[in-house]
Amino acid sequence: QVRLVQSGAEVKKPGASVKVSCKASGYSFGTYYMHWVRQAPGQGLEWMGIINPSEGNTNFAQKFQGRVTLTRDMSTSTVYMELRSLRSADTAVYYCARGGASYQAPFQWGQGTLVTVSS
Amino acid sequence: QSVLTQPPSASGTPGQRVTISCSGSRSNIGSNTVNWYQQVPGTAPKLLIYSNNQRPSGVPDRFSGSKSATSASLAISGLQSDDEADYYCATWDDSLNCPVFGGGTKLTVL
Repeated sequence: QVRLVQSGAEVKKPGASVKVSCKASGYSFGTYYMHWVRQAPGQGLEWMGIINPSEGNTNFAQKFQGRVTLTRDMSTSTVYMELRSLRSADTAVYYCARGGASYQAPFQWGQGTLVTVSS
Repeated sequence: QSVLTQPPSASGTPGQRVTISCSGSRSNIGSNTVNWYQQVPGTAPKLLIYSNNQRPSGVPDRFSGSKSATSASLAISGLQSDDEADYYCATWDDSLNCPVFGGGTKLTVL
């Protein structure tokens, strides 16, 4: 079955960067898009971006343009999300979520990674 | 402000049937299929319904989805205490070129 396992919680200072990993298994990694979605405490789901693992091309929400990078490692079926210039408002749980073979809303989700930004 | 509109809360008593609505527009629900997720506080969202009305394996048939024009609905019959959770709808938006979510509905089992 589809399994997405994310890296552990992080605590960062304002201005720093964070890199979260998402290791996929149980399906053909290169066939399906991977989304990144975050959820601030007590808030709803906010889409950040998407990567096509096969080609490596990406698309981001305008809000995160220039501050987030998505990469992938085909050899380990892992996707990485790096967010730079962190501020307190970036404190949230970050999820990877498998999409479809074309542009669709997410399907299966990782367990989430809590990123706390605090001085 | 979410692109898809859901009621912030819903409630029901055990055994009852409740429905949660999700309203969008022609560029999102009107053009693409809808997914529904269940999120128990402190855990990741779980896919409940995909492609408007399909249940992943393991999801009880008490949960059902439907779509008409630019709106979708999630119905839960035979309500149980462990159905208490937040429910989100989502779909792709062809104009925004990204997935869009509802703001979530908190379901309380009285």
